[in-house]
Amino acid sequence: AQSVTQLDSHVSVSEGTPVLLRCNYSSSYSPSLFWYVQHPNKGLQLLLKYTSAATLVKGINGFEAEFKKSETSFHLTKPSAHMSDAAEYFCVVSYNNAGNMLTFGGGTRLMVKP
Amino acid sequence: GAVVSQHPSWVICKSGTSVKIECRSLDFQATTMFWYRQFPKQSLMLMATSNEGSKATYEQGVEKDKFLINHASLTLSTLTVTSAHPEDSSFYICSARDRDTGELFFGEGSRLTVL
Repeated sequence: AQSVTQLDSHVSVSEGTPVLLRCNYSSSYSPSLFWYVQHPNKGLQLLLKYTSAATLVKGINGFEAEFKKSETSFHLTKPSAHMSDAAEYFCVVSYNNAGNMLTFGGGTRLMVKP
Repeated sequence: GAVVSQHPSWVICKSGTSVKIECRSLDFQATTMFWYRQFPKQSLMLMATSNEGSKATYEQGVEKDKFLINHASLTLSTLTVTSAHPEDSSFYICSARDRDTGELFFGEGSRLTVL
């Protein structure tokens, strides 16, 4: 069985400060891990994905995530938050890229203060 | 990049009526599409897997007679909410898997409000 836990339901940062969104997973097999962003009333946009290549994954909009097998974590970071980063973020784990094998975390709402 | 289009993006209907939501892959072919439901401030819940040319596979607890899914072509899947009730009000999101690359792309979502 696989599961994913996003440790914070809400994160609030000031514009220009670093962002850290935490994600821990459990999986019996080598997982693929994804981070998606969802703006209000919009679908999901893929930020980045890990599929057993480099453990530090760089994504769009300055985001990156590091796969740490020993900690079963895949935290999302960004050095400097922008107002447009305010959105809901989902950490997702999968054995493959099939939509019926995706397990979504509960989501983290990122708020960015001016 | 690959685009998945959902239509309508917003729909309001009266209780007891049926509503059809379309999911189209615009520049790739998708043998498999997926339908999710998202309640306010919650994560996505997979409802069903839509396979081109065959019956959809529904997740446990999802009523197949309530949520009719048709995948008539490699670029179109439809979800029909039959005899809609206020509790069916939700955000419905589809995703489509590129037949050639295996990548998964999500639609923009459709917000259904049943009065």
